[in-house]
Amino acid sequence: AQKITQTQPGMFVQEKEAVTLDCTYDTSDPSYGLFWYKQPSSGEMIFLIYQGSYDQQNATEGRYSLNFQKARKSANLVISASQLGDSAMYFCAMRERLDGANSKLTFGKGITLSVRP
Amino acid sequence: DGGITQSPKYLFRKEGQNVTLSCEQNLNHDAMYWYRQDPGQGLRLIYYSQIVNDFQKGDIAEGYSVSREKKESFPLTVTSAQKNPTAFYLCASSIWGSHGYTFGSGTRLTVV
Repeated sequence: AQKITQTQPGMFVQEKEAVTLDCTYDTSDPSYGLFWYKQPSSGEMIFLIYQGSYDQQNATEGRYSLNFQKARKSANLVISASQLGDSAMYFCAMRERLDGANSKLTFGKGITLSVRP
Repeated sequence: DGGITQSPKYLFRKEGQNVTLSCEQNLNHDAMYWYRQDPGQGLRLIYYSQIVNDFQKGDIAEGYSVSREKKESFPLTVTSAQKNPTAFYLCASSIWGSHGYTFGSGTRLTVV
């Protein structure tokens, strides 16, 4: 079963506008973490924001915020004031516990964001 | 500067040959991971290691092998048993028990 779902097709946004990238997840573990990464065409994975399952407030990092709705199992990324450099692939990921204290990141399939001037 | 170094950036190999991808980190992280990314897809976990001399299979380990003889190094060998090895490979590391993951810049492997 897919644990991280990103179903939006390629997204387009006008420069300086806000955009929301959707992510839903599935887990039965009460303790988990949710991440968003940006992957430009060069390929490196750039960490954007993290939300722990027990965090009471939505995470924010500069122009990035995470709209965490635990009951709906959604963790949407909001980018405010889009910039041309925001054009990239965006991945939602969930940290899952394995055995003991081991953990791994499980990724969604990603969303391509294009910012128009 | 601390980080993860993956080499080479691009790698071409003939079908049927084994090839080893390098991953070195100087972050003193305990855990290291190998992911595979196919075009338009997310990352899938191949192998991970929490401590030296110990590693575990991830979701798609068939046709791959790893070693963890040093804390800093986690090389991945793509063997001839891997049916479709052409992909982008990313190495990552994290502090044991933390939520911070650092990724390398990746190796793009093309098998011809």
